[in-house]
Amino acid sequence: GQNIDQPTEMTATEGAIVQINCTYQTSGFNGLFWYQQHAGEAPTFLSYNVLDGLEEKGRFSSFLSRSKGYSYLLLKELQMKDSASYLCAAQNRDDKIIFGKGTRLHILP
Amino acid sequence: IAGITQAPTSQILAAGRRMTLRCTQDMRHNAMYWYRQDLGLGLRLIHYSNTAGTTGKGEVPDGYSVSRANTDDFPLTLASAVPSQTSVYFCASSDSPGGSYNEQFFGPGTRLTVL
Repeated sequence: GQNIDQPTEMTATEGAIVQINCTYQTSGFNGLFWYQQHAGEAPTFLSYNVLDGLEEKGRFSSFLSRSKGYSYLLLKELQMKDSASYLCAAQNRDDKIIFGKGTRLHILP
Repeated sequence: IAGITQAPTSQILAAGRRMTLRCTQDMRHNAMYWYRQDLGLGLRLIHYSNTAGTTGKGEVPDGYSVSRANTDDFPLTLASAVPSQTSVYFCASSDSPGGSYNEQFFGPGTRLTVL
């Protein structure tokens, strides 16, 4: 079957660093997406990885290991506005995207 | 308009009624998608269209139908609504269904309640 696993909730402190992990099992693999979704709003694109390694984009970085079926999203210098759900999504060989259930991140002052 | 829009924003519907959720994008994207999002279940794909004139079934297609007569519009129809279709519905589009071009842009969502 196809499955995406990520923690349901995480809590971190303003100014700190947090890592949100994601493991995936899909029929073939064509890439890994991360989306951010604030409460009551639509998801918005954060990053895309298709090759192994780290992709850095400002305060946010995303890592992929294809051999391990593993990715993480790293958020640095956390701000209160980073309180949101973070969705991991894997694209299978048919280019279908399977979303995880999301990780709700709470930022404490 | 810029981006992707959905209508209505919210709707309360009696069970058994027919309902069409509208979705329009002005980005000339080839691919469009309909998802439902339920607490604890995440985003689940209902139907998709890789290009105008074609559609396909996603993970949870039963009770829903779509059409893609042109590039911009992708309406979702509930032929006879049931309470289990109470959900938040998101429409999305991407330049292409493949690879990095599948970065999806989401509409603001339609909150549907079926009583």
